[in-house]
Amino acid sequence: AQSVTQPDIHITVSEGASLELRCNYSYGATPYLFWYVQSPGQGLQLLLKYFSGDTLVQGIKGFEAEFKRSQSSFNLRKPSVHWSDAAEYFCAVGGTGFQKLVFGTGTRLLVSP
Amino acid sequence: NAGVTQTPKFQVLKTGQSMTLQCAQDMNHNSMYWYRQDPGMGLRLIYYSASEGTTDKGEVPNGYNVSRLNKREFSLRLESAAPSQTSVYFCASSSSGSEGPQHFGDGTRLSIL
Repeated sequence: AQSVTQPDIHITVSEGASLELRCNYSYGATPYLFWYVQSPGQGLQLLLKYFSGDTLVQGIKGFEAEFKRSQSSFNLRKPSVHWSDAAEYFCAVGGTGFQKLVFGTGTRLLVSP
Repeated sequence: NAGVTQTPKFQVLKTGQSMTLQCAQDMNHNSMYWYRQDPGMGLRLIYYSASEGTTDKGEVPNGYNVSRLNKREFSLRLESAAPSQTSVYFCASSSSGSEGPQHFGDGTRLSIL
């Protein structure tokens, strides 16, 4: 069965510093991978997705993620964090039939001044 | 600029009561989804509708029913609410099932006493 692990429950980053959020997945075939962001009291917003092709994927708000098949990872990165990036971030994996995405438990990002 | 609209935003029920959560999207999307979000568990799919006139079970369908009323609207019904259904419920939509959920509503916070 497919599964997603986000090993960091909380991460604190200084404003202007770089960010990397980890995501490891388990899936028997070629995975389709997603990152979402959730601000307090709101729904999720799709940041980026990987289906195939270039393993480095660009998303909205300056985020990017890299698919590494050998490490079963899809880590999210941003070169310089802004205070408005403080939120909860979810990684998700699916296959054919994206309706049945499996979500990780999330990583809460705190941004310090 | 509505996107996905959920009503109500908050609701308190007593065990055994019934209620319907409403969801509407104005983006002409074909696929719609209902998720529940519980602390430390990420999002779990309850039901989805790949296109108008079709619905299918997700990961946690027990205790719920859905209706895809038309292309815009997808409702979730709790026939006999139980405390285990206390959660935050999110509706989402996507242009097709091959895209994964793209747009989320702001959620319905449901408490069952």
